Amino acid sequence: AQSVTQLDSQVPVFEEAPVELRCNYSSSVSVYLFWYVQYPNQGLQLLLKYLSGSTLVKGINGFEAEFNKSQTSFHLRKPSVHISDTAEYFCAVTGAGNTGKLIFGQGTTLQVKP
Amino acid sequence: DSGVTQTPKHLITATGQRVTLRCSPRSGDLSVYWYQQSLDQGLQFLIQYYNGEERAKGNILERFSAQQFPDLHSELNLSSLELGDSALYFCASSGQVPDTQYFGPGTRLTVL
Repeated sequence: AQSVTQLDSQVPVFEEAPVELRCNYSSSVSVYLFWYVQYPNQGLQLLLKYLSGSTLVKGINGFEAEFNKSQTSFHLRKPSVHISDTAEYFCAVTGAGNTGKLIFGQGTTLQVKP
Repeated sequence: DSGVTQTPKHLITATGQRVTLRCSPRSGDLSVYWYQQSLDQGLQFLIQYYNGEERAKGNILERFSAQQFPDLHSELNLSSLELGDSALYFCASSGQVPDTQYFGPGTRLTVL
């Protein structure tokens, strides 16, 4: 079975500052990892994913994440945030050999201040 | 736009009633997943179908059921509704299993 922990429930940051949203996972098998973003009153949009290969993955809107197997982490980063990045961010995991059901973290609210 | 459609967008009903939520996956996707998002439980996997057959079950109540039809659209049926069933219900689809899931806009269910 897999589990996900998002270490911060809220992250306030000023516009144009860098940000890191932390995600740790637990699994006894190889994993696929995802970050999704949810804007107010909207559905989940895929930001980026790690399936295999390079451990540094780049996504949409300038976000990137690094898969660290030894630390079982998949932290999300952006070098300079905009007001429009204010949203809820979810880290999710699924086992590489299973049905594909996603296990989500509790979410991190990113609040970008002017 | 993810290509996944869900209807209705909003649903308001009373306790004890039954509702049906509908999902159409992206063109070509064989797998459909249902998730529930609530303030106290977060995002939880309910059930998965692949090409018409149930593939996996999560924390789905016995009062809830789902099916996937030959045209690959899926329906989630919720019966004997309780106040605690009020939540946002998402459908997602994927081509391969496991692979990236693309989410629909959700159906917000309010039980009064």
